Amino acid sequence: QVQLVQSGAEVKKPGASVKVSCKVSGYTLTDLSMHWVRQAPGKGLEWMGGFHPEDGETIFAQKFQGRVTVTEDTSTDTTYLDLRSLRSEDTAIYYCAAAFTGYYMDVWGKGTTVTVSS
Amino acid sequence: DIVMTQSPDSLAVSLGERATINCKSSQSVLYSSNNRNYLAWFQQKPGQPPKLLIYWASTRESGVPDRFSGSGSGTDFTLTISSLQAEDVAVYYCQQYYSTPHTFGQGTNLEIK
Repeated sequence: QVQLVQSGAEVKKPGASVKVSCKVSGYTLTDLSMHWVRQAPGKGLEWMGGFHPEDGETIFAQKFQGRVTVTEDTSTDTTYLDLRSLRSEDTAIYYCAAAFTGYYMDVWGKGTTVTVSS
Repeated sequence: DIVMTQSPDSLAVSLGERATINCKSSQSVLYSSNNRNYLAWFQQKPGQPPKLLIYWASTRESGVPDRFSGSGSGTDFTLTISSLQAEDVAVYYCQQYYSTPHTFGQGTNLEIK
């Protein structure tokens, strides 16, 4: 059974960076297409980016380009989302999700709360 | 970007009755080469992550009760709960994965009448 275990809550100041981890268990990270979705308090879901099988790379929504990086540690089956230049609008729950076929997101992590506040 | 618009924003249905949620995309999410609609439905209960219900617009995820069904093609899609149960109270989202960014609808809040 595949599980995605995310890192704990973070509190950051505006302008700082945050790194959220997502560890895959029960499967191999490189056999999955990983996506990141966030949800601001009381708001809907926002797709940030994900691995695109046809392109062989992780693609991010334009609003995040230049401010976000995804890295992987295949030795621990862990993927990391690095978001820089944080602002208050980045306060949200950040979810990682896995797509087995590379398209729809089958399995989700429980989420990591990131609070940006001075 | 493809804009996904759900209707209604909020819905109250009596237990045992049918619930219908609509989702419209600003452009077709039907890929002609494989005749598949790149559309998924998710259920999110308070304090929980989203859960995949339906993919390819009408294929039910394993373990999802058969009272949930998806239909539609091209730009117009529907999620139907045939007989509402108390545990179905949640927010429901459609999402297209036809092109990046993989946009979500704004969500439909389903309650018991």
